[in-house]
Amino acid sequence: EPEVTQTPSHQVTQMGQEVILRCVPISNHLYFYWYRQILGQKVEFLVSFYNNEISEKSEIFDDQFSVERPDGSNFTLKIRSTKLEDSAMYFCASSARQGGGYTFGSGTRLTVV
Amino acid sequence: AQTVTQSQPEMSVQEAETVTLSCTYDTSESNYYLFWYKQPPSRQMILVIRQEAYKQQNATENRFSVNFQKAAKSFSLKISDSQLGDTAMYFCAFQHGSSNTGKLIFGQGTTLQVKP
Repeated sequence: EPEVTQTPSHQVTQMGQEVILRCVPISNHLYFYWYRQILGQKVEFLVSFYNNEISEKSEIFDDQFSVERPDGSNFTLKIRSTKLEDSAMYFCASSARQGGGYTFGSGTRLTVV
Repeated sequence: AQTVTQSQPEMSVQEAETVTLSCTYDTSESNYYLFWYKQPPSRQMILVIRQEAYKQQNATENRFSVNFQKAAKSFSLKISDSQLGDTAMYFCAFQHGSSNTGKLIFGQGTTLQVKP
């Protein structure tokens, strides 16, 4: 069964450093997403990406965040200057169509120290 | 704004028994989708079941079924013949039908413990 692949599975970074979280969505999917889950809390929407541009972003997705689909297969989330409160599980997801349900990646656990 | 509420933070059930997890949502739309996702200790998010709001028939997937009450804005998940592998956090989620983004709005989650 097709999978969404996320790397790395766990990243530790110092406050103020830039991190790039990587995702390879399912190849024929058209909609791409990033979500965040702070430990023990609910899953929060960050950003959606369709047709090579951001289609919606949340209040969390401020200027320190950016997304890119540089080569038609990878989908990256960049955090420019990490803060302690950015520590969370970050999930990438993709879907082929609206309403079909997503396929989530296994997540990247980001720890900011 | 749409909201999704799961009022049961934790539940437990004996193996082989049946358990129902509750979810309510708030929307003014008539066209939308509802989902249940399972998050086991590995923290992977796994789609359990989906429901299209325009369909009156409740969705079923093997041991998992939903009770979709559109007027009451309720979407509960029933797990029959519970298995130890069902132990996980379960999230209810809402998706606009007319949105071009497909954003999911999640509830707070219910932690389910299946006891042997």
